[in-house]
Amino acid sequence: QVQLVQSGAEVKKPGASVKVSCKASGYTFTGYYMHWVRQAPGQGLEWMGWINPNSGGTNCAHKFQGRVTMTWDMSISTAYMELTRLRSDDTAVYYCARDKGWDYWGQGTLVTVSS
Amino acid sequence: QAVVTQEPSLTVSPGGTVTLTCGSSTGAVTSGHYPYWFQQKPGQAPRTLIYDTSNKHSWTPARFSGSLLGGKAALTLSGAQPEDEAEYYCFIYSYSVASYWVFGGGTKLTVL
Repeated sequence: QVQLVQSGAEVKKPGASVKVSCKASGYTFTGYYMHWVRQAPGQGLEWMGWINPNSGGTNCAHKFQGRVTMTWDMSISTAYMELTRLRSDDTAVYYCARDKGWDYWGQGTLVTVSS
Repeated sequence: QAVVTQEPSLTVSPGGTVTLTCGSSTGAVTSGHYPYWFQQKPGQAPRTLIYDTSNKHSWTPARFSGSLLGGKAALTLSGAQPEDEAEYYCFIYSYSVASYWVFGGGTKLTVL
């Protein structure tokens, strides 16, 4: 069965970086784009970007350009999202989700940015 | 960048019908925006109900349907159940200088 399993919660200081992983199983990893979405506490969903695991191509929302890097490791069917220069308002749950219907989501990774 | 608007909150009676809408600041929402609808309950990850305007997943209850209505994407719930109380987000594809996706602010649906 299809699963997206994300890495565990992180606590970071302002200015640091965080890298969240999303391990896919149960399907051909290169057959689907992977999107990243975040949700700050009590707030709505925010699209961050996607990666094409087949080509490595990426596209991210304008507000994250220069701070977000999306990568992948085909050998272990894992996508990564790294966010740099963290601020307190980056505190959120970060999700990965499979494209083409967004039928599967990761369980979410809480990233807390606090001094 | 497009701003996607949804009703902040709606209330429906059990067994009743309600329509949630999703508009874009850039103009009419069309099938080319590939509208999605997600349901999220407290403490849970979102769940996709509708994709590409009106397509359902195997887990999407039959009482939910997606459409285009008056220049907006719409999610209609016919025969509301208590378990349908949740936050609903629309999500659309857009393009200006580059392509991007954007969420609406969400609609809190109360079944009462």
